[in-house]
Amino acid sequence: QVQLVESGGGVVQPGGSLRLSCAASGFTFRNYGMQWVRQASGKGLEWVTFIRYDGSDKYYAESVKGRFTISRDNSKNTLYLQMNSLGLEDTAVYYCASAPNGLVDYWGQGILVTVSS
Amino acid sequence: QLVLTQSPSASASLGASVKLTCTLSSGHSNYAITWHQQQPDKGPRYLMKLNTDGSHKKGDGIPDRFSGSSSGAERYLTISSLQSEDEADYYCQTWGTGGVFGGGTKLTVL
Repeated sequence: QVQLVESGGGVVQPGGSLRLSCAASGFTFRNYGMQWVRQASGKGLEWVTFIRYDGSDKYYAESVKGRFTISRDNSKNTLYLQMNSLGLEDTAVYYCASAPNGLVDYWGQGILVTVSS
Repeated sequence: QLVLTQSPSASASLGASVKLTCTLSSGHSNYAITWHQQQPDKGPRYLMKLNTDGSHKKGDGIPDRFSGSSSGAERYLTISSLQSEDEADYYCQTWGTGGVFGGGTKLTVL
């Protein structure tokens, strides 16, 4: 069955950096677009970024553009999110999701990122 | 601008049916969407992809009680024979030049 397992979360100071990983299994990862979605405590889901199946195109929410970078390694079935210049507003649970043509069809369990001094 | 609009809350009685609505913004009535369920303190779960013509493809293990339909810019999620575990937040999602989520509907089962 499809599994998406996030790792790399934790506590980081404002202005710091963190890299999230998402290990995928149970489907042909290299054929699927992937994205990251986040959810602050008590809030709704917020789309963060998307990468096409081959990494040729990447899209970002305005709130993270220039600070976050999505990438993938199809040989390792792994998706990444490099987060730089983190602010308090980036505190959230981050979900990895498979998204053929941008429409989400599987979710990871989520990983908590806390930005705090 | 592509926007998805959902009512913040809905309620229905145990065993009854409820129809949740997701409305696409003007000029975007031909977009497919996906529906997702998020039970309290859990991650989201994919329910289905819903096309403009009302055809839908459900996720693994989603009960027949969950169905989708479309009319113009409206996308619906109908849950029949409501159970207590259906009490959750429901989100719609689509894709334009980026991902878009509706604000979510909190469903209370009375």
